[in-house]
Amino acid sequence: SAVISQKPSRDICQRGTSLTIQCQVDSQVTMMFWYRQQPGQSLTLIATANQGSEATYESGFVIDKFPISRPNLTFSTLTVSNMSPEDSSIYLCSVGDGRAENTEAFFGQGTRLTVV
Amino acid sequence: GQNIDQPTEMTATEGAIVQINCTYQTSGFNGLFWYQQHAGEAPTFLSYNVLDGLEEKGRFSSFLSRSKGYSYLLLKELQMKDSASYLCAVASGDYKLSFGAGTTVTVRA
Repeated sequence: SAVISQKPSRDICQRGTSLTIQCQVDSQVTMMFWYRQQPGQSLTLIATANQGSEATYESGFVIDKFPISRPNLTFSTLTVSNMSPEDSSIYLCSVGDGRAENTEAFFGQGTRLTVV
Repeated sequence: GQNIDQPTEMTATEGAIVQINCTYQTSGFNGLFWYQQHAGEAPTFLSYNVLDGLEEKGRFSSFLSRSKGYSYLLLKELQMKDSASYLCAVASGDYKLSFGAGTTVTVRA
C-alpha cells in the first residue's frame, strides 16, 4: 500500500492569504486527487492532479482558487488562494493506481485549515 | 453523475451486529469502497467490491449487488472503538471516487 505524507497537518490562516498543501507519496502512482471535507460533511472531489499537465477540476472548483501542481508521479501541491472563512475545511490528498486489480484509494492524513 | 445514499446515523450495543446500507446510481462503475473515519482523522480503507457477492474481512463484511445498485457493510461483534463515520464511495469509469454523506455509528456499552 502507498504511504502518503501530507503537510502541513493543520494551519490557521488570515483571510485573504494563500496556503499551499503538499502531498508526497512513497511510490509512483498514476492518479492523485484532492478532496475537501467541510465540517460535518462527506468528502467532495476538488480535482484530479495530472502529471505534466493542468489539473482537471470538478464542477464548482476553479484553477484560480485552487491551483494544483504535479511535477512528477510522487508529488503534488494544492494551493487555497485568497482564503475566506468558508474555506475552513479538511483537505485530503488521495492516490490511486488506476489498474483494475489495484483500485484501492489511499488518503493522506489531511490538512485541517481554519481561516480567521 | 453519482447519487449515493446511506443512513445518517445508527446506534448499536457493544457485541451486536450492525448493517449499513448504501444505494447508488452511477454512470460507469469501477467498484464500491467502504471507508471508516474517526472524528478529526482521515478516512481509512475497509473494503472494496467490484463483483457481486460478499467479501469478508474479520469482523467486517461487505456485500455488493450491481444490478440493484446496492451494497451493505456488516460490522460484527461491535466494539466501542467501532464508533465512527462509515463512508460508502463509488469509483466511476476514471477511478474518481464519489462519496456518500456517511453513516455515524455509535456503539453503546
